[in-house]
Amino acid sequence: NAGVTQTPKFRILKIGQSMTLQCTQDMNHNYMYWYRQDPGMGLKLIYYSVGAGITDKGEVPNGYNVSRSTTEDFPLRLELAAPSQTSVYFCASTDGTLTGELFFGEGSRLTVL
Amino acid sequence: AQSVAQPEDQVNVAEGNPLTVKCTYSVSGNPYLFWYVQYPNRGLQFLLKYITGDNLVKGSYGFEAEFNKSQTSFHLKKPSALVSDSALYFCAVRDMNNNAGNMLTFGGGTRLMVKP
Repeated sequence: NAGVTQTPKFRILKIGQSMTLQCTQDMNHNYMYWYRQDPGMGLKLIYYSVGAGITDKGEVPNGYNVSRSTTEDFPLRLELAAPSQTSVYFCASTDGTLTGELFFGEGSRLTVL
Repeated sequence: AQSVAQPEDQVNVAEGNPLTVKCTYSVSGNPYLFWYVQYPNRGLQFLLKYITGDNLVKGSYGFEAEFNKSQTSFHLKKPSALVSDSALYFCAVRDMNNNAGNMLTFGGGTRLMVKP
């Protein structure tokens, strides 16, 4: 059981470039989330999805886009990379119950130069 | 809105001594509370959660946490620290009400350093 899988683990982008962070889970979870983690700042929610075809903004959505065409996959797209998007990105999923814990991927470290 | 505060950026403790990592929360309804641990270059791992019932909950690796409703706190504890407990710890809260995405809100994290 792989859980939540993120790719790539590391990436360096130039300002203005675009890329997609991939996230897939094999637990049949309806709820999926993208967080970013900045040093000393904890985790901030970027986008979330409560099921295939449904997405919504979190706390810091500017500069990002998501899609949810299947239950398993929840990719995060950066359209025009900026240095402020240098961060570690975590994808997470849960079964959607109020008592359910989140399962996290290993993270994707993105540097924008 | 829900929020979590972890007042200490770092906690230092000697191996074998008890440890406490503090967490306070704010929600409009009843809280569901969680603790996660993050080892270097890894994702967050679930430790324990409080849903209802006994205020003292036990979790993985010998950790426990005490829910105190009057003080709106959920401190993480362990009777005897190990060097291998050194990591970054996050407290998180989920509000039962007004939470369309069942979102967890995380505190800023506390780095635990256990010295031999």
